[in-house]
Amino acid sequence: QSVLIQPPSASGTPGQGVTISCSGSSSNIGSNSVNWYQQFPGTAPKLLIYINNQRPSGVPDRFSGSKSGTSASLAISGLQSEDEADYYCAAWDDSLNGWVFGGGTKLTVL
Amino acid sequence: EVQLVESGGGLVQPGGSLRLSCAASGFTFSTYWMSWVRQAPGKGLEWVANIKQDESEKYYVDSVRGRFTISRDNAKSSLYLQMNSLRAEDTAVYYCVRGFAGDPWGLGTLVTVSS
Repeated sequence: QSVLIQPPSASGTPGQGVTISCSGSSSNIGSNSVNWYQQFPGTAPKLLIYINNQRPSGVPDRFSGSKSGTSASLAISGLQSEDEADYYCAAWDDSLNGWVFGGGTKLTVL
Repeated sequence: EVQLVESGGGLVQPGGSLRLSCAASGFTFSTYWMSWVRQAPGKGLEWVANIKQDESEKYYVDSVRGRFTISRDNAKSSLYLQMNSLRAEDTAVYYCVRGFAGDPWGLGTLVTVSS
């Protein structure tokens, strides 16, 4: 059971938008920023969003993040087939002095 | 180019030990917190341990505390994870990760604990 709660799956058709939620608590999301990672099968995770809503260079602006209270969301607009991957949220947890992750959301582009 | 390269994984029997290494390049290693994160086959990501720039602070997930030790050598731009008393549930790909943003991640090294 992961500390941060994500839906196990999400889907959409090309061109559509999809949102992935991430729910935590006061010791993690409620008091620290949220990062999102994208992982393709057999590869290492890659930073997609940091400090709640910042995109590293090279990440398309179709990807956006937000945070409110103890929850966060990743929004993907204009879905493309190459967006099919696993997405993980993460936040620093003040109780653990370490990261906690969501269980991951498998995005399928129909 | 910023790069992290892990090594030292392999097959080990339950109760055995392994030492993972992570060679960093392309950035000033001594200025970053560093972490180990693992991923069991077909499962999600799990933070394992992290270490402050000067080794003055080290933290571990409960399941490995007392068995694993994280360390670093800033002169060699290297991060280590000494894993003792290994269990089947430690089987995973272990990633070396830079900083609080978690960027970048290394390619990972597979640790398999099995008899």
